[in-house]
Amino acid sequence: AQTVTQSQPEMSVQEAETVTLSCTYDTSENNYYLFWYKQPPSRQMILVIRQEAYKQQNATENRFSVNFQKAAKSFSLKISDSQLGDTAMYFCAFISFQGGSEKLVFGKGMKLTVNP
Amino acid sequence: EAGVVQSPRYKIIEKKQPVAFWCNPISGHNTLYWYLQNLGQGPELLIRYENEEAVDDSQLPKDRFSAERLKGVDSTLKIQPAELGDSAVYLCASSPGQGRSGNTIYFGEGSWLTVV
Repeated sequence: AQTVTQSQPEMSVQEAETVTLSCTYDTSENNYYLFWYKQPPSRQMILVIRQEAYKQQNATENRFSVNFQKAAKSFSLKISDSQLGDTAMYFCAFISFQGGSEKLVFGKGMKLTVNP
Repeated sequence: EAGVVQSPRYKIIEKKQPVAFWCNPISGHNTLYWYLQNLGQGPELLIRYENEEAVDDSQLPKDRFSAERLKGVDSTLKIQPAELGDSAVYLCASSPGQGRSGNTIYFGEGSWLTVV
């Protein structure tokens, strides 16, 4: 089964600090894609960062970066210089191609609160 | 460029009544998804279209749920009759690719359904 596990249901951090959100996944596929999505109270899923599994270099988008450990099936998100607007639910996800169907599989999410 | 548009944003209905949700994907996106998100959970795929063809509807409860994408552009998701357990957010999403593309999936703001 293709699964995504986010073991920390909730975290809080002070503004301007750095926080790391953890994610592990399980797949038998060798080529896949990993994502972090942010979901504010408005409920719209917003892409934060995308990683291609065949690329060893960790993806970076401004204050957001990932630590992708393919052998360990780990995909953590680091947010530097946290801002109040980063407060949201964060979902780790990957695209599975198992059974010929392209499906985005999500973890249960983690609630991040950035405090002033 | 307009994003994925969904309507209505909010809907409250009595159980056993029908309800329909509409989605217009990003222009040019061939693939359209409907996801169900229960409170405190990550989204789960209901159905995926490539153009007008439903290529994965294995998770769609076909006894009460139906969907269509007649011209390969906008789509409608219907529930009839609604049950209390259908209260959730229904997310529509689209992506430009087909097959094993791993393209980013873009989400709409969701349709919040409350069944009373």
